[in-house]
Amino acid sequence: AQSVTQLDSQVPVFEEAPVELRCNYSSSVSVYLFWYVQYPNQGLQLLLKYLSGSTLVESINGFEAEFNKSQTSFHLRKPSVHISDTAEYFCAVSAHNTDKLIFGTGTRLQVFP
Amino acid sequence: DVKVTQSSRYLVKRTGEKVFLECVQDMDHENMFWYRQDPGLGLRLIYFSYDVKMKEKGDIPEGYSVSREKKERFSLILESASTNQTSMYLCASSPPDRINYEQYFGPGTRLTVT
Repeated sequence: AQSVTQLDSQVPVFEEAPVELRCNYSSSVSVYLFWYVQYPNQGLQLLLKYLSGSTLVESINGFEAEFNKSQTSFHLRKPSVHISDTAEYFCAVSAHNTDKLIFGTGTRLQVFP
Repeated sequence: DVKVTQSSRYLVKRTGEKVFLECVQDMDHENMFWYRQDPGLGLRLIYFSYDVKMKEKGDIPEGYSVSREKKERFSLILESASTNQTSMYLCASSPPDRINYEQYFGPGTRLTVT
């Protein structure tokens, strides 16, 4: 079975500051890793994913995440956040032999002016 | 653009009522999912379906059932609503190709059971 841990339930940060949202996973089999974002009053949408290949993956709006197999982590980073990045961010994992996603408990990113 | 729609954004029901939450997707996806989202608990899978008339229990199926009579529609049923089923319910769909591996979510239904 797989599990996902997001240790930070809330991360407050000022605009233009860097941010890191932490995600650790546990699995006995190979996994795919995902970050989803939920803006206020909306459903979830995919931000970025790691399936294979380069361990560093990027989104179109400046976020990046690095798959670290030895530390079983997939932390999300952005060098300079904007007010519009205020949202809840969910890390998720899926084993290679299933279509099911296991989600973490979410991290609420609050960006202040 | 993939579109997943849910029948209601907000719903208020009384304890003991039978509740239907409807989800429709327009991309011919085989897979459909129902989650509930609660503060501090993230998203938890209730039921999923790989094809018409097929369903499998997720992590928290107790108190829920589902129906998938047509490929595009996946219904979540609360046979007798209880206050502990007050939550945000999210529907998602995905193709079976396991290449993109992306689930597409609807906007959610916030259900309050009084």
